[in-house]
Amino acid sequence: DGGITQSPKYLFRKEGQNVTLSCEQNLNHDAMYWYRQDPGQGLRLIYYSQIVNDFQKGDIAEGYSVSREKKESFPLTVTSAQKNPTAFYLCASSSPRGTLDTEAFFGQGTRLTVV
Amino acid sequence: AQSVTQLDSQVPVFEEAPVELRCNYSSSVSVYLFWYVQYPNQGLQLLLKYLSGSTLVESINGFEAEFNKSQTSFHLRKPSVHISDTAEYFCAVSPGGTSYGKLTFGQGTILTVHP
Repeated sequence: DGGITQSPKYLFRKEGQNVTLSCEQNLNHDAMYWYRQDPGQGLRLIYYSQIVNDFQKGDIAEGYSVSREKKESFPLTVTSAQKNPTAFYLCASSSPRGTLDTEAFFGQGTRLTVV
Repeated sequence: AQSVTQLDSQVPVFEEAPVELRCNYSSSVSVYLFWYVQYPNQGLQLLLKYLSGSTLVESINGFEAEFNKSQTSFHLRKPSVHISDTAEYFCAVSPGGTSYGKLTFGQGTILTVHP
């Protein structure tokens, strides 16, 4: 089945440590996205990539980094510079405008808790 | 830039009653409009979308939304809700001319259906 796989589902880290969240898709989508979800705030865009080896900052990129070396993969690193990293992180993908998939598809999320 | 406001953070309703979840947006350009649903600790699933054409769009499970350009609204309605509709609902917009996944979300509305 085609879809987006995020791993792990739950992640615990100590304050000051970097952590990398995995996102893999087999939908053959060009574009991939990372969102952060906090209660009562909806989802906010962290980074996005519309093509391999290229990515752009979203609205809340500070303290995060990404890479896009393969079309299928878009890992997110939460660095120690992120002041409040505890949140639910969602990865999504979509096709370019004008193709058949006219919406974003989401993974099941990773809940990161920093203690 | 775009913004989305969901006017109710929580909506309690009894089973088989009608419900309306309100969404207003602001944008200086044409947008595509979406409603997503999220069950606890899961990713987002597309409920319905408006891209162009008929302003009334429907989902397979009885929800409908109407795009009102003059009022910049995209309210979600269902004439008779079920217990299984209990979830959080997000309204989102995507700017025309870019990929569909670069979304601006509202804060979410938690719909709770009581027996």
